[in-house]
Amino acid sequence: DTEVTQTPKHLVMGMTNKKSLKCEQHMGHRAMYWYKQKAKKPPELMFVYSYEKLSINESVPSRFSPECPNSSLLNLHLHALQPEDSALYLCASSQDGGGRFGGYTFGSGTRLTVV
Amino acid sequence: DAKTTQPPSMDCAEGRAANLPCNHSTISGNEYVYWYRQIHSQGPQYIIHGLKNNETNEMASLIITEDRKSSTLILPHATLRDTAVYYCIVSNPTGTASKLTFGTGTRLQVTL
Repeated sequence: DTEVTQTPKHLVMGMTNKKSLKCEQHMGHRAMYWYKQKAKKPPELMFVYSYEKLSINESVPSRFSPECPNSSLLNLHLHALQPEDSALYLCASSQDGGGRFGGYTFGSGTRLTVV
Repeated sequence: DAKTTQPPSMDCAEGRAANLPCNHSTISGNEYVYWYRQIHSQGPQYIIHGLKNNETNEMASLIITEDRKSSTLILPHATLRDTAVYYCIVSNPTGTASKLTFGTGTRLQVTL
């Protein structure tokens, strides 16, 4: 298995809702990442997990809460989002802390719309 | 991480080589050069990376200048499916705090 699987592919949520995005990989990668991408912009890093511990938080608002239950799974919990949080949320993984032996593998993303 | 400079857009005829340049004049000795591409509405796809030497794989070749201040990604025979945004990224891959920071990239349009 050489893929990063993200679910759901599309999500529409209200500003008072709580939802979660899920990311899964079975490549034995020990680093996992969340990126946010607005239309026609490059991906922006949100969080980095290394060996199941949060190693980087790029000053992301607390309404986004990451969780890494095990080495294969990464969640992003969403609460009280704003319409401007609508974006494509991308998950990625890499073999070690930074992809020295290869690149990051990205999922196809969850397209989130906040109404 | 060092910043990169890429042209915003390029065109290439199908079947010809696409040569995508990238300047990274402030790259440090332990930083690698990575190339990714993103086809519309998909996640970025890893293409190739290198430190000092030129690299080649089934997708592309990476040419890094001797002073490491610039590099070129070469797609030897571009096809319509190579139309995408191409990102050149420099990053130190060691340690738990390593990360990929995307710039604005080059939008490559392959035409008939």
